[in-house]
Amino acid sequence: GAVVSQHPSRVICKSGTSVKIECRSLDFQATTMFWYRQFPKQSLMLMATSNEGSKATYEQGVEKDKFLINHASLTLSTLTVTSAHPEDSSFYICSARDDRLPSNQPQHFGDGTRLSIL
Amino acid sequence: GDSVTQMEGPVTLSEEAFLTINCTYTATGYPSLFWYVQYPGEGLQLLLKATKADDKGSNKGFEATYRKETTSFHLEKGSVQVSDSAVYFCALSANAGGTSYGKLTFGQGTILTVHP
Repeated sequence: GAVVSQHPSRVICKSGTSVKIECRSLDFQATTMFWYRQFPKQSLMLMATSNEGSKATYEQGVEKDKFLINHASLTLSTLTVTSAHPEDSSFYICSARDDRLPSNQPQHFGDGTRLSIL
Repeated sequence: GDSVTQMEGPVTLSEEAFLTINCTYTATGYPSLFWYVQYPGEGLQLLLKATKADDKGSNKGFEATYRKETTSFHLEKGSVQVSDSAVYFCALSANAGGTSYGKLTFGQGTILTVHP
């Protein structure tokens, strides 16, 4: 079945560091990918919609300069948390939409990245 | 805007018990509905889906029926196993015609723990 690879699975770094998370669709093309944030024991919050070849669309309240998204190819989107601070610690999950399917069909999720800022 | 409401958790059951996790939604038009499952430390996996009214999604013994009249998509399983312990999310995806087309809206998740 369709697979989305998210890397790294876990990051621990010092405050002030910038961290890049990759999301790859392995066996399908994805013009659109999504980035979510999940706090402990809570639901997923959509942060932004990543569009290949154009600027990402951010949800209300999400800082564009803090969470940089680059969708450089049809199989890769990256999320960079710039100058990360402890409050940015969270579980970040990406998903990808298969270009061959209607947009209301299931998205395929990565396994998430646990980000811990010391 | 669109919203999904799940029953409050956590839910604790003994093995082989019957499971129901309630899910209701608010959306314009006719959204697609999904149940996703998240095991500890992992991402989300699609459990089942239904794209139109009266559709029944089923997978691994789980079932859910798209009820437009009650705007519900309750998840059921006749006999749960310890391996079913996870967090379950109900979600909807708006259909064409709206600004939210293709975006997923999630419920708050329900933690299920099954004891031997």
